[in-house]
Amino acid sequence: GQNIDQPTEMTATEGAIVQINCTYQTSGFNGLFWYQQHAGEAPTFLSYNVLDGLEEKGRFSSFLSRSKGYSYLLLKELQMKDSASYLCAVYGQNFVFGPGTRLSVLP
Amino acid sequence: KAGVTQTPRYLIKTRGQQVTLSCSPISGHRSVSWYQQTPGQGLQFLFEYFSETQRNKGNFPGRFSGRQFSNSRSEMNVSTLELGDSALYLCASSATSDLHEQYFGPGTRLTVT
Repeated sequence: GQNIDQPTEMTATEGAIVQINCTYQTSGFNGLFWYQQHAGEAPTFLSYNVLDGLEEKGRFSSFLSRSKGYSYLLLKELQMKDSASYLCAVYGQNFVFGPGTRLSVLP
Repeated sequence: KAGVTQTPRYLIKTRGQQVTLSCSPISGHRSVSWYQQTPGQGLQFLFEYFSETQRNKGNFPGRFSGRQFSNSRSEMNVSTLELGDSALYLCASSATSDLHEQYFGPGTRLTVT
């Protein structure tokens, strides 16, 4: 089976850096994805990792360690608009989403 | 380029009825996936179609079915609706078969009474 864990909630200050962790157990592995979802809206794609290491995309970076079943999403220079839920998803046998981490960015 | 569109956006049905939801992917995208999102269970994978073939299916009962047409548009059907089927149903399209970079539609909010 597949199981994904993420912290339920996190709080950070505008301008700071925050790291959202994701651990997973999966049957097969075809990639790990991060999505952002604002309340009442559909998820939007942020990043994709299939090999170990860091993928950087502007203020967002995502890291993957397949041997440890671990990933993190790093958000730099936090802005108020970054307040949202961040979903970790693994594509193994099927596409499985984690429960999401609700991030609140405070002024 | 137009995004993923879903119709209808909101729907109210009665327990025991059936419902059909529609999804039009981004032009050129051949993969369409369906998800159910509820506050309690989060986002759960229903099934994925690529070039009119169902490639993957999640752990949902047979009351949930889908299909994809030659123009990549997809429909999802739920028969014998139950109260627990009330959810946001999201469709996502991808240009490639490995689901890299899925783009989600706005969803259909289904309420079963």
